[in-house]
Amino acid sequence: AQSVSQHNHHVILSEAASLELGCNYSYGGTVNLFWYVQYPGQHLQLLLKYFSGDPLVKGIKGFEAEFIKSKFSFNLRKPSVQWSDTAEYFCAVISRNNAGNMLTFGGGTRLMVKP
Amino acid sequence: KAGVTQTPRYLIKTRGQQVTLSCSPISGHRSVSWYQQTPGQGLQFLFEYFSETQRNKGNFPGRFSGRQFSNSRSEMNVSTLELGDSALYLCASSSQVNTDTQYFGPGTRLTVL
Repeated sequence: AQSVSQHNHHVILSEAASLELGCNYSYGGTVNLFWYVQYPGQHLQLLLKYFSGDPLVKGIKGFEAEFIKSKFSFNLRKPSVQWSDTAEYFCAVISRNNAGNMLTFGGGTRLMVKP
Repeated sequence: KAGVTQTPRYLIKTRGQQVTLSCSPISGHRSVSWYQQTPGQGLQFLFEYFSETQRNKGNFPGRFSGRQFSNSRSEMNVSTLELGDSALYLCASSSQVNTDTQYFGPGTRLTVL
């Protein structure tokens, strides 16, 4: 069964610091990859996604992620975080070999940005 | 387009009762998936429906069931509630058949006393 690992459970940064959140998945087949964000009291929102093509994808609010197939990784980055980026971030994977739209999520990373 | 809507937003039940949660997908979306979110287990897939058929099912007991109607609206039911069923239940919809982007609703917060 496929699994997704997010190694950083809690991250605390000061405003303007750079961010990188790790995500590794176990499935060896072809996958679609996603990062979702959950702001306090709000629902899950899509930050960015990778289906194919350029492995460096850009999302909303200045976030980007790089797919490295050889490392089974899809790390999320932002050059300069803001207090409003305080949220929980989830990496998720869908296997293209299986029918349907079943997402497998990582355990999430809680980011706190200090003003 | 309106987003995914879920009703009710909050629910309090007691052990042994049953509950039904409702989800209306984004207009035109035919795939609806359900997830359970808890602090301990994170986000776990429950089941997915497409054109009124269950296509995938997660590793949950048979007390958890669902269905989808011809207008793509979906319901999930939990019977004989247990304390451990307290969670945020999320519904997501997508427009394509497979491996598509899912858009999430605000969830239903279920508390079992």
